Amino acid sequence: GAGVSQSPSNKVTEKGKDVELRCDPISGHTALYWYRQRLGQGLEFLIYFQGNSAPDKSGLPSDRFSAERTGESVSTLTIQRTQQEDSAVYLCASRPDRGRTEAFFGQGTRLTVV
Amino acid sequence: GENVEQHPSTLSVQEGDSAVIKCTYSDSASNYFPWYKQELGKRPQLIIDIRSNVGEKKDQRIAVTLNKTAKHFSLHITETQPEDSAVYFCAASKPSGSRLTFGEGTQLTVNP
Repeated sequence: GAGVSQSPSNKVTEKGKDVELRCDPISGHTALYWYRQRLGQGLEFLIYFQGNSAPDKSGLPSDRFSAERTGESVSTLTIQRTQQEDSAVYLCASRPDRGRTEAFFGQGTRLTVV
Repeated sequence: GENVEQHPSTLSVQEGDSAVIKCTYSDSASNYFPWYKQELGKRPQLIIDIRSNVGEKKDQRIAVTLNKTAKHFSLHITETQPEDSAVYFCAASKPSGSRLTFGEGTQLTVNP
């Protein structure tokens, strides 16, 4: 595709349910990032992938959060036993390679936990 | 790890005035400093970036300066227009594979 694609664009889930968010990076981009953005707040780093390995997952807020990536392609962020404080926009970004290059963002998944 | 601080958190200017947003970073190994603009409800988009081998970069009404010694960089917008109103984020990154660390953002409002 032409850009980073995320699905679903909106997700409403009940407290305690598991959710899975998907990110399709730009083809050929080796680096992939997940960020969380609460309403009116900044970009909170969650995890970084280089290829299918995650050298930095220090931003994952709890063991309810996990992520994986297939090769240099799709990534999924899974939140288990969702809580109301998980409500936020989850943004994915990809970069062509490590280092000093532009990161392109997807449109985000707006997660609402009720 | 890297820590990026951004000031001010809100900035209101009159149309035609200049706006300046400042960021500091903690890791002297960082060498890539992008600025993103995020309009309400939209994704962040790169507006300008600078690498540590230069001290200033300009693109039309937007410029960024970098002071490696002091570990700070700034975004300058001249002749502001209402469509410049948005949240602006600075960020820093090291050369080897690592996170892109963002500042907390600045809400810029340009009043007509």
